Amino acid sequence: NAGVTQTPKFQVLKTGQSMTLQCAQDMNHEYMSWYRQDPGMGLRLIHYSVGAGITDQGEVPNGYNVSRSTTEDFPLRLLSAAPSQTSVYFCASSLFFGAGNYGYTFGSGTRLTVV
Amino acid sequence: KQEVTQIPAALSVPEGENLVLNCSFTDSAIYNLQWFRQDPGKGLTSLLLIQSSQREQTSGRLNASLDKSSGRSTLYIAASQPGDSATYLCAVRSIQGAQKLVFGQGTRLTINP
Repeated sequence: NAGVTQTPKFQVLKTGQSMTLQCAQDMNHEYMSWYRQDPGMGLRLIHYSVGAGITDQGEVPNGYNVSRSTTEDFPLRLLSAAPSQTSVYFCASSLFFGAGNYGYTFGSGTRLTVV
Repeated sequence: KQEVTQIPAALSVPEGENLVLNCSFTDSAIYNLQWFRQDPGKGLTSLLLIQSSQREQTSGRLNASLDKSSGRSTLYIAASQPGDSATYLCAVRSIQGAQKLVFGQGTRLTINP
C-alpha cells in the first residue's frame, strides 16, 4: 500500500515555463487536494476534488489548474511559472469528506523553485 | 473563519522529559482534529486523529486530548527521545468549510540528548 505518491520530489523551473505535478493514491479515496507550504504562511489549500470529474478552488488557486479524470490521480498544472510559486507542494487524500470523520493522508511533497 | 494557533512556536527540552504541545481553534463546530509530525524537508505524517465526539486518543507515548467547547487540544509526549525532534502541526476540519484542513503554524520541538 503506497499511500499518496507525488512526483517529482524536486523541480527547478524558469519563469514562464509550465509543468505538471503528479499525485496518485491507491486507497480509493474520493477526496483529494493540493496544498502549498510557505514559511510564515503555513499550509494553504490550492484546489480540491471530491471525486472524478469534480474539482473546485481553494484559498490560493490563481496560476494553477487541476483535473480529476480518475479516482487515483489528481495532477496540478502550473500554467506559467512565477517566482511567487516557489514553494513546497503537498497532495493529500481522504475518504469521502461529506461524512467528515476521516483523517487525511499526505504525500511526501514536491519542492519547486522558480527562477 | 476558523483560525488555529499553536503555542509555543519552538520548544527545546532534555531527553526523558514529558511535554505538552498546545493547539487552539476559534470555531468549535468541527468534525475532527488531526495532529501531524513533519521532519525537515519531509512530508506530513499523521500521528493522531480525534473526532469531535471524542475526548482523547492515544498511540504509544503520544496522547492527544480535545476540549471542543473551549477550542483546545493538547498533544502529550511521554518520556521524550531525540527521535521525537520535529515540527508538530495540528489541523482542524471544520463543519463549515469541510473541504479543507486549517493548520496551525506548528511547534518546532528539539529533544536534547
